[in-house]
Amino acid sequence: AQSVTQPDIHITVSEGASLELRCNYSYGATPYLFWYVQSPGQGLQLLLKYFSGDTLVQGIKGFEAEFKRSQSSFNLRKPSVHWSDAAEYFCAVGPPGYSTLTFGKGTMLLVSP
Amino acid sequence: ETGVTQSPTHLIKTRGQQVTLRCSSQSGHNTVSWYQQALGQGPQFIFQYYREEENGRGNFPPRFSGLQFPNYSSELNVNALELDDSALYLCASSGPGRRNTEAFFGQGTRLTVV
Repeated sequence: AQSVTQPDIHITVSEGASLELRCNYSYGATPYLFWYVQSPGQGLQLLLKYFSGDTLVQGIKGFEAEFKRSQSSFNLRKPSVHWSDAAEYFCAVGPPGYSTLTFGKGTMLLVSP
Repeated sequence: ETGVTQSPTHLIKTRGQQVTLRCSSQSGHNTVSWYQQALGQGPQFIFQYYREEENGRGNFPPRFSGLQFPNYSSELNVNALELDDSALYLCASSGPGRRNTEAFFGQGTRLTVV
């Protein structure tokens, strides 16, 4: 069975500092990988996705993620965090070509002034 | 192009009642998935509909059922509500085609069971 682990429940970062959110997955082959962001009481917005090819993917709002097959990881990064980035971030995996997703439990990002 | 819309946005029901949640898929999408997001958790896959037929189901009991209509909108029905059914219910659409790669989510319906 596939699963996603986001080891950090909460992370606090100073505005302007860099950010890395961790995601590890368990899957029989290389899945499709996603990062979503959720503001309080809202739905999910896709930040970026990895299907194949270049292991460093760029997303919206200045985010990027790197797929590392050997570590079964897909960590999300941003070089300089803005206060508006405060939200909950979810990593998700899905079978290639299908849109059914397995989500991690999320990491809440807090941005301090 | 319109996005995914869900109704109602909030709902309060009593334990034992039945509830119907609605979702309009994004234009051009023929696949709809439903997810349950309990407080402090990630979304959990309930089921998916493709062209009016169930196309996969997560680990949810039969009292969670669904429908997809010819215009690809969808309903999620939950019978015999339990307190643990309190959650944000998210609808996502994708497509066209059974094999598709990106799900677009609605804003969700917040269900509270008292």
